[in-house]
Amino acid sequence: EPEVTQTPSHQVTQMGQEVILRCVPISNHLYFYWYRQILGQKVEFLVSFYNNEISEKSEIFDDQFSVERPDGSNFTLKIRSTKLEDSAMYFCASSHTSGGYNEQFFGPGTRLTVL
Amino acid sequence: GENVEQHPSTLSVQEGDSAVIKCTYSDSASNYFPWYKQELGKGPQLIIDIRSNVGEKKDQRIAVTLNKTAKHFSLHITETQPEDSAVYFCAASTSRGGSYIPTFGRGTSLIVHP
Repeated sequence: EPEVTQTPSHQVTQMGQEVILRCVPISNHLYFYWYRQILGQKVEFLVSFYNNEISEKSEIFDDQFSVERPDGSNFTLKIRSTKLEDSAMYFCASSHTSGGYNEQFFGPGTRLTVL
Repeated sequence: GENVEQHPSTLSVQEGDSAVIKCTYSDSASNYFPWYKQELGKGPQLIIDIRSNVGEKKDQRIAVTLNKTAKHFSLHITETQPEDSAVYFCAASTSRGGSYIPTFGRGTSLIVHP
């Protein structure tokens, strides 16, 4: 069964460093998403991406964040200068159709720890 | 924006018992309510969903109910089994940018004791 994959599973970085989290969505999916979950808190939407551009973003997704689909298979989330409060589990998701009630398939997540 | 509250945060039941998880939402424009199950080391997985034009939906041992007037929706699991142990998230969503972006509840850790 096709699945969303994410690498690495755990990333440790120093405050102020740049990190790139990688995701490979399901191959025939058209919509891509990033969510984060700070420990003990809710899963929060960050951004959605369709047709090589951001279609929606939350207030969390500020100028420190960017997304890219560099090669037609990977979908990346970059945090330019990490802060302690960026420590969280980051989930990538993808969905197939461009409208209607799309089931989003989630990856296993990347745990980001900022020291 | 939407706010989803979920209760209880932890639910412990004996195998074979029923489990009920309740959620409320604030935005009357929300019209799609998915439920996710998250097992250890995995991402959330959709298990059942309900749309605003339906009051109840059932799929084998799981059922969801929706009361749009009261802005309540619930997940019911009957004949629980140890493999049902996981964290369950409710969500409420409306269409944003062409797709439905869920606002999640805080999650319920369900423990089913054999």
